[in-house]
Amino acid sequence: EDQVTQSPEALRLQEGESSSLNCSYTVSGLRGLFWYRQDPGKGPEFLFTLYSAGEEKEKERLKATLTKKESFLHITAPKPEDSATYLCAAMDSSYKLIFGSGTRLLVRP
Amino acid sequence: DGGITQSPKYLFRKEGQNVTLSCEQNLNHDAMYWYRQDPGQGLRLIYYSQIVNDFQKGDIAEGYSVSREKKESFPLTVTSAQKNPTAFYLCASSPPRGVTEAFFGQGTRLTVV
Repeated sequence: EDQVTQSPEALRLQEGESSSLNCSYTVSGLRGLFWYRQDPGKGPEFLFTLYSAGEEKEKERLKATLTKKESFLHITAPKPEDSATYLCAAMDSSYKLIFGSGTRLLVRP
Repeated sequence: DGGITQSPKYLFRKEGQNVTLSCEQNLNHDAMYWYRQDPGQGLRLIYYSQIVNDFQKGDIAEGYSVSREKKESFPLTVTSAQKNPTAFYLCASSPPRGVTEAFFGQGTRLTVV
């Protein structure tokens, strides 16, 4: 069965303390791996798409990487405004998106 | 501005009632989706539509119904058969078949009272 697992469930960081979020996937015929940011009570906001192992993408303090089994979202020197839930989703061979349960990130000043 | 509009933002339903959640997009996307989000869980697919007048069940379609009479609109009805309808509902759209991101609306929070 196709599955996406995110860890940790919750992460508390001090402002400036870098860390990584993990997204492990078992999906047949992976077409792409997506990262979204979701603020409380809002819809997810698209961050990155990764298509193949070894690919990396960056945006401000965020960097996403992809291997054959997992993806990482690295957060460098985070700020309080980076606090949100980060969702990853894998697209399978039928173009269906399978979401993980998310990592709730809290960055304290 | 192009985007996806969901309404209402908050909705209260009495047990035994049907309610309809609205989703409109002006992105000219062919594909539209409905997801349900519960606390601590990922998004689960309810229904999706790749083209007007056609739609398919997702993973948790029981107790829900949809229609796709226009490209811009994909309303979701939560029927009285849905045993636990209290949740956050998200509508999304994307271009037709391709490895492209889905764009989401701001969600409707449905509460059964």
